[in-house]
Amino acid sequence: AQSVTQLGSHVSVSEGALVLLRCNYSSSVPPYLFWYVQYPNQGLQLLLKYTSAATLVKGINGFEAEFKKSETSFHLTKPSAHMSDAAEYFCAVSEESGAGSYQLTFGKGTKLSVIP
Amino acid sequence: DTGVSQNPRHKITKRGQNVTFRCDPISEHNRLYWYRQTLGQGPEFLTYFQNEAQLEKSRLLSDRFSAERPKGSFSTLEIQRTEQGDSAMYLCASSEGQGDYGYTFGSGTRLTVV
Repeated sequence: AQSVTQLGSHVSVSEGALVLLRCNYSSSVPPYLFWYVQYPNQGLQLLLKYTSAATLVKGINGFEAEFKKSETSFHLTKPSAHMSDAAEYFCAVSEESGAGSYQLTFGKGTKLSVIP
Repeated sequence: DTGVSQNPRHKITKRGQNVTFRCDPISEHNRLYWYRQTLGQGPEFLTYFQNEAQLEKSRLLSDRFSAERPKGSFSTLEIQRTEQGDSAMYLCASSEGQGDYGYTFGSGTRLTVV
């Protein structure tokens, strides 16, 4: 089974600073990788996804992530944090379940705080 | 299309009571998923439907849990004899294809068992 590790359950950055949220995965096959964002008491919104095309993936709200196979990483970055980026971020890997579908396995999440 | 809709948004129930949640997926999506998210954790897979057929169930889905998707449209998740450990956010998602390109999630139903 695949697994996802997110380093740092809580990250604080100043407004305008670089955002870096770390994600490492374990997979025996080339994975599909995702970042989702969750605002308080809301569901998950897809930020971006890697599906074996370009290794640098651009998402919504200025976020991007780079797939590095040699490091089994898929870190999420944003050059300049905005107050509205404060939320919880989840990295996920997709695995074929054998029942005609792909099942998402999530990390434990990283809560991002943005300091004015 | 208004996305994936879940009702109710919040549910408070006494231990031992039964509860039922509803999920309306995106209309053209034939695959529907239920996930559970407890405090401080990422979502965990519960079960999956392709049209009306329930094709996969997690070991997390005890005998007190049952899910249905009659006619392959909306789905319900019922928990019988609720326990305090059932308190969580229950998330529904749907996908058009196999889900390899990700799912669309609803806003979730937050269950509190007192």
